[in-house]
Amino acid sequence: TQLLEQSPQFLSIQEGENLTVYCNSSSVFSSLQWYRQEPGEGPVLLVTVVTGGEVKKLKRLTFQFGDARKDSSLHITAAQPGDTGLYLCAGAPQGGSEKLVFGKGMKLTVNP
Amino acid sequence: DAGVIQSPRHEVTEMGQEVTLRCKPISGHDYLFWYRQTMMRGLELLIYFNNNVPIDDSGMPEDRFSAKMPNASFSTLKIQPSEPRDSAVYFCATKRSAGRLISGNTIYFGEGSWLTVV
Repeated sequence: TQLLEQSPQFLSIQEGENLTVYCNSSSVFSSLQWYRQEPGEGPVLLVTVVTGGEVKKLKRLTFQFGDARKDSSLHITAAQPGDTGLYLCAGAPQGGSEKLVFGKGMKLTVNP
Repeated sequence: DAGVIQSPRHEVTEMGQEVTLRCKPISGHDYLFWYRQTMMRGLELLIYFNNNVPIDDSGMPEDRFSAKMPNASFSTLKIQPSEPRDSAVYFCATKRSAGRLISGNTIYFGEGSWLTVV
């Protein structure tokens, strides 16, 4: 069974601080996605990374896929209260399976 | 686009009752997924369909759970009889075939159905 471990599980920070969320596995994935979920809503896709070592930037968010395609990180610069939410990583298994493997998520609270 | 539409948004039912959750996918999306989310286990895939055909139901917890997709515009997830441990948020999600574009593998989630079994 493929598992994705996210850390930390909870984080409460002040507006303006930086943070990094990690997503780790012992399995290799063909691609990895990051989602943000706000209370009472479904997850919304932020980014998909495909190539080992790939770095993608989305405004203040920087996503990196590990060289071996087993892990990923999300770095947020100068966090804002609007960044508050549950951040989920999800891996697509090799072989073309449609069964995404989700981590349990990191609940972020950014205080004004 | 209207997005993935789920109903009901909230349901409270007594143990032993039948629960039916409904989903209307985004038009043109040929994959439909049912997920369950709890604090303890996170997001778990229950079953998914491709072109209305169930492809993998290995995540369905037990025979009390069943899912159908009679046409491209509608799917149901049924729990009969329901138990307190079924309390969770149930998400329907859909996507269009990505072909060879792995980066185009975007799944769209509904807002979820919050189920409480007492």
